Amino acid sequence: GENVEQHPSTLSVQEGDSAVIKCTYSDSASNYFPWYKQELGKRPQLIIDIRSNVGEKKDQRIAVTLNKTAKHFSLHITETQPEDSAVYFCAASWGYSTLTFGKGTMLLVSP
Amino acid sequence: DAGVIQSPRHEVTEMGQEVTLRCKPISGHDYLFWYRQTMMRGLELLIYFNNNVPIDDSGMPEDRFSAKMPNASFSTLKIQPSEPRDSAVYFCASSLRGGVGVGDGEKLFFGSGTQLSVL
Repeated sequence: GENVEQHPSTLSVQEGDSAVIKCTYSDSASNYFPWYKQELGKRPQLIIDIRSNVGEKKDQRIAVTLNKTAKHFSLHITETQPEDSAVYFCAASWGYSTLTFGKGTMLLVSP
Repeated sequence: DAGVIQSPRHEVTEMGQEVTLRCKPISGHDYLFWYRQTMMRGLELLIYFNNNVPIDDSGMPEDRFSAKMPNASFSTLKIQPSEPRDSAVYFCASSLRGGVGVGDGEKLFFGSGTQLSVL
């Protein structure tokens, strides 16, 4: 089955800096790659997703890039703010398969 | 829509007791998932249903765990008997699957979770 590795497990940045979280996947058939944000004590919520026919997608301060050849995808957050502090999960799936989640990255943005 | 609704939000019980977690998916969603979240293991898929039918329960840790979906708007996850190592946050999630490459089919919507503590 699919295996998703996520790095780093924790990431500390200063407000205004950029943050990058990277994930690799094992199943070349995977074609859907979402990112979820989970604030402390809250539910995971979808923040952005990308499909395998697209190399990059942006939504304001967040962007996701996908390299199908290398089987990795990344989340980029620019101009980080304290409210970006949360745990971020990447995931991968194909067709009717279920999502396989990475272990999560705890992002801490210091004022 | 109110989103995925789970109850209770918190459950504290003693080892050996039966625990029942409840979930109401988003109306019209045809997939329902039960996840368990711990610091050590992250988000683990326990079981999922399609049109009320269990499709894959390979993530259910032991026979002590069981799940049902008697209709499209209700599911339960039961642990009997409960053990301290079952302590975790249990999330229910639902999605609308249109098929490969179809719009928002794979988007997963989570409930608020049930924080379970087994003493």
